[in-house]
Parts: sequence; C-alpha cells; structure tokens
Amino acid sequence: SQQGEEDPQALSIQEGENATMNCSYKTSINNLQWYRQNSGRGLVHLILIRSNEREKHSGRLRVTLDTSKKSSSLLITASRAADTASYFCATGIASGTYKYIFGTGTRLKVLA
Amino acid sequence: EAQVTQNPRYLITVTGKKLTVTCSQNMNHEYMSWYRQDPGLGLRQIYYSMNVEVTDKGDVPEGYKVSRKEKRNFPLILESPSPNQTSLYFCASRIQRGGRWETQYFGPGTRLLVL
Repeated sequence: SQQGEEDPQALSIQEGENATMNCSYKTSINNLQWYRQNSGRGLVHLILIRSNEREKHSGRLRVTLDTSKKSSSLLITASRAADTASYFCATGIASGTYKYIFGTGTRLKVLA
Repeated sequence: EAQVTQNPRYLITVTGKKLTVTCSQNMNHEYMSWYRQDPGLGLRQIYYSMNVEVTDKGDVPEGYKVSRKEKRNFPLILESPSPNQTSLYFCASRIQRGGRWETQYFGPGTRLLVL
C-alpha cells in the first residue's frame, strides 16, 4: 500500500451527521496536511498539523495525529451538503528528501 | 492576491508534440512542485524544486522535465508526450518559515489530453 492511504475510500452520510476519515502513512513525517477537492477542481488546504502536535481544530474540522501509529484522522462535525467533496491527506517526508506524498482520497457525499 | 497560476488550463495535443505548461506564483515561495492526478491514484508528485536552479525528482518523473530559472516560475515540459500522460496536472508552492515548511498553495489545474 502507498504512503498516505485514506480510509474509507467513500463515505455517504446525512446532513448534520459527523464524518470521520482516516489516513495512514509509512515513513516519518514533518507534517501532515488535509485538503478538500471538489470534483475535478483545485485543492483547498484545510489544516496542517506538525509531527509534534496531536490535535488541531479549525471551525467544524478536527484533525488528530498519532505518530506512533502513523495515522491521522479528519473529523467534520455537523456536516452540510456543501461538504460533499474528496478529501486527501498529504505527508511531508521527514528525512533526506522534500517530497510530498498524497493519499488516494476519501469521497464524501453528504445527503440533504 | 496571493496565488499560483497555471497555463493553459486545458490542452489537447498529439503524441510526440512537445509542450510546456507554465506555473507562476507571486508569494516569493522557495518550494514549487508539480503533481499529476489520475482516477483512483490520487496526486502523485512529478518534480519539485527547493529554490532557483535546484530541482529533484518526485515519484513519477519519467517523461517530464522542469526548470527553475526564476523563483516565481516553474514550467513543466513534456518533450514527447504520450497518451499515458493524459492527466490533470497541478502546480503548487510553499514557503519555509523559521525552519518549518508551511502549507502548500495549489494552482487551478491543467487538464491535458494526449491523442
């Protein structure tokens, strides 16, 4: 499996429910970012969490990072139809390179 | 307005005809990068550049070239495009502050079709 795999691949929920997406990675990282992409469009940055941080909030978004398990989660609370999009995690690799690796994404559909 | 711009936004070409996709950022960012996005594969990094005249390969560099002669520009060159390079391409940039990398800003994307 590749670095930065999101789980689940697709998620369908009702408006008002919470949505949780998970990201696992393989190598040590400097930081992890979550992005949103509406169908075929550009990526919008949501949150950056650094390797020495465990949790971050931004509005209805909550991101956690567990470096011991090499995993992160994105929680969207009180979801809205406008949250329908694909969500990607991206990891900044820690050592010897400045690569950035994206996961394959979670497709979220919020039903009104 | 701080932004990353790409041109063209859409391009249809034929196999073997050299093309260049331009990328420009107005934020004085050191780091710039190119990605391609294909269904089911997410975004994969093609090349990145840490600063002027400093470039390095990402995960899928084959068939692509880049150059970084100025800080603001990072063109992606396909010397001899092939149909398997049909994809959605994104340019991105980011800055380093206090030794820490900040968030990446993405361009709007270039949709390329190689016939």
